[in-house]
Amino acid sequence: AQSVTQLGSHVSVSEGALVLLRCNYSSSVPPYLFWYVQYPNQGLQLLLKYTSAATLVKGINGFEAEFKKSETSFHLTKPSAHMRDAAEYFCAVSDRASKIIFGSGTRLSIRP
Amino acid sequence: NAGVTQTPKFQVLKTGQSMTLQCAQDMNHEYMSWYRQDPGMGLRLIHYSVGAGITDQGEVPNGYNVSRSTTEDFPLRLLSAAPSQTSVYFCAAGGSTDTQYFGPGTRLTVL
Repeated sequence: AQSVTQLGSHVSVSEGALVLLRCNYSSSVPPYLFWYVQYPNQGLQLLLKYTSAATLVKGINGFEAEFKKSETSFHLTKPSAHMRDAAEYFCAVSDRASKIIFGSGTRLSIRP
Repeated sequence: NAGVTQTPKFQVLKTGQSMTLQCAQDMNHEYMSWYRQDPGMGLRLIHYSVGAGITDQGEVPNGYNVSRSTTEDFPLRLLSAAPSQTSVYFCAAGGSTDTQYFGPGTRLTVL
């Protein structure tokens, strides 16, 4: 069965600093991997997805993530944080058959 | 195009009551799912469906029932509500290996 671990329930960075949100996965088959963002009192929306093409995936709002099979990781990064990036971020894994499993989430805070 | 709609937005139940959370999509996706979101636990998969007439259990199915008679609708039934089912419930539709489109959520409180 697949699973996702997000390291750090809360990350705080200064505006303009690098954002790094960590995600490690477990899957018995080559996975599909996703990052979603949730703004306060809203549903989730897709940031980016890895579907076995390029290992470096670019998403919306300047975010990107790199699939590293040897480390079973799919960390999310953004070179320069903006105040509007404050939200909760979820990593998710699909086993290509049916289930999509989400991590516990990381709340990103941006300091002025 | 409404996407994924959920009703109601808010609901308060007493322990032991039953109710149905409604979910509908107008995107013709075969895959639909229900999640519950609790603080510190992320989204946990309750049930999912890969098409009309086909449903399966997720990570936390106990106390919940689903059916899928049409592609558009995927209701979630609480059989006998318990305080442990107080949560925010999200319905999603999309490809099982592709983008999921989420509804706005239903905030449920069980007293």
